[in-house]
Amino acid sequence: GAGVSQSPSNKVTEKGKDVELRCDPISGHTALYWYRQSLGQGLEFLIYFQGNSAPDKSGLPSDRFSAERTGGSVSTLTIQRTQQEDSAVYLCASSLNGRAAGELFFGEGSRLTVL
Amino acid sequence: GQNIDQPTEMTATEGAIVQINCTYQTSGFNGLFWYQQHAGEAPTFLSYNVLDGLEEKGRFSSFLSRSKGYSYLLLKELQMKDSASYLCAVRGTDKLIFGTGTRLQVFP
Repeated sequence: GAGVSQSPSNKVTEKGKDVELRCDPISGHTALYWYRQSLGQGLEFLIYFQGNSAPDKSGLPSDRFSAERTGGSVSTLTIQRTQQEDSAVYLCASSLNGRAAGELFFGEGSRLTVL
Repeated sequence: GQNIDQPTEMTATEGAIVQINCTYQTSGFNGLFWYQQHAGEAPTFLSYNVLDGLEEKGRFSSFLSRSKGYSYLLLKELQMKDSASYLCAVRGTDKLIFGTGTRLQVFP
């Protein structure tokens, strides 16, 4: 499709397990963002990629969280040893070139539930 | 530090006008965005302001005052489908930081 694609759409896991969330941005978009949204809350910035590099990782909540992007396209957000407070919707967005006026296009999100 | 404030909830009547305010303090400023998010869906882009003044787009308008760190989103001729959360977001040096959003309920 032409939009931002995220998988899985829903993930239920047990506390302590690792999870991987995938984002496939719009073709040609060089900037990619990960946000987290807890129930009824705003979007919490996690990490931003320009190409394959991450100029800003300041939003990652702990060292259990990591993200990578390969080929300037697909990105994977990995959460190790998941905790219940990690339960949230993880949203990925991309923009054409990360410039100031660049509109972000969001995927539908991956809903993570940690039991 | 960075801080974006908007009211948590607002209510309005179908056909009316509503103004959603946003104040911000950020390190660096490269524009302010408004996004709409219906429950259970992804946010969608509404407007972008980088210079002071009013930007009008159909029933929606957005205003920016950089000196006051203030913006508002104005929704006219409200429709039931406008019931959603409205997210104010500011781009600092690179990343886009979102406020907690304003949940708008439109009643008939």
